[in-house]
Amino acid sequence: EVQLVESGGGLVQPGGSLRLSCAASGFRISTYWMTWVRQAPGKGLEWVANIKQDGNERYYVASVKGRLTISRDNVKNSLYLQMDSLRVEDTAVYYCAREQTMVRGDIRAYYYGMDVWGQGTTVSVSS
Amino acid sequence: DIQMTQSPSSVSASVGDRVTITCRASQDIRNWLAWYQQKPGKAPKLLIYSASALQSGVPSRFSGSGSGTDFTLTISSLQPEDFATYYCQQANSLLLTFGGGTKVEVK
Repeated sequence: EVQLVESGGGLVQPGGSLRLSCAASGFRISTYWMTWVRQAPGKGLEWVANIKQDGNERYYVASVKGRLTISRDNVKNSLYLQMDSLRVEDTAVYYCAREQTMVRGDIRAYYYGMDVWGQGTTVSVSS
Repeated sequence: DIQMTQSPSSVSASVGDRVTITCRASQDIRNWLAWYQQKPGKAPKLLIYSASALQSGVPSRFSGSGSGTDFTLTISSLQPEDFATYYCQQANSLLLTFGGGTKVEVK
């Protein structure tokens, strides 16, 4: 069964750090772009960051750039999100997802959506 | 960044109704648009990609159309399991963005 399972969420004080993990099973993440999406309580979906198959390209939403870092370990078949200098507004459920896409240079060749999602892990930033 | 605006933000409908949700992009995104369904406490589910392609396993009562800046998700005959929130998402830019969501509620 194709599956993503997130872990690592919790309660942290403003300015603190957390590391989220996303373990894949039933497929190899090495052939996919992978992404993090978050959802603040009662709010809509917000794309956070994504990373190319080889880890050499990473993109971030402006509000997290310089504080959150996406990475991957294709051998461990896992995706990560290192969260530093956390703010109250980072409070959300964080989902990892698989992207069906191909990018050549900065040109997208195709995009078939985020077709596999994890169940989410909750991050609460509060004093 | 490309902004995605959905309308309406909520719609009240009955089983069997035809429901149409609109998504407008702040610039031309060609057909790089996906639609997702989310139920409370659950992860989003991919419905449509490339503006009009139906994801495998998704019922044919769901359809998508549009290109450029204006897109539509249509549910041809609303079923009880379709009461949920729907989001559009653009992929024209490598910086992805979602619309604000449309909640389909029971009338």
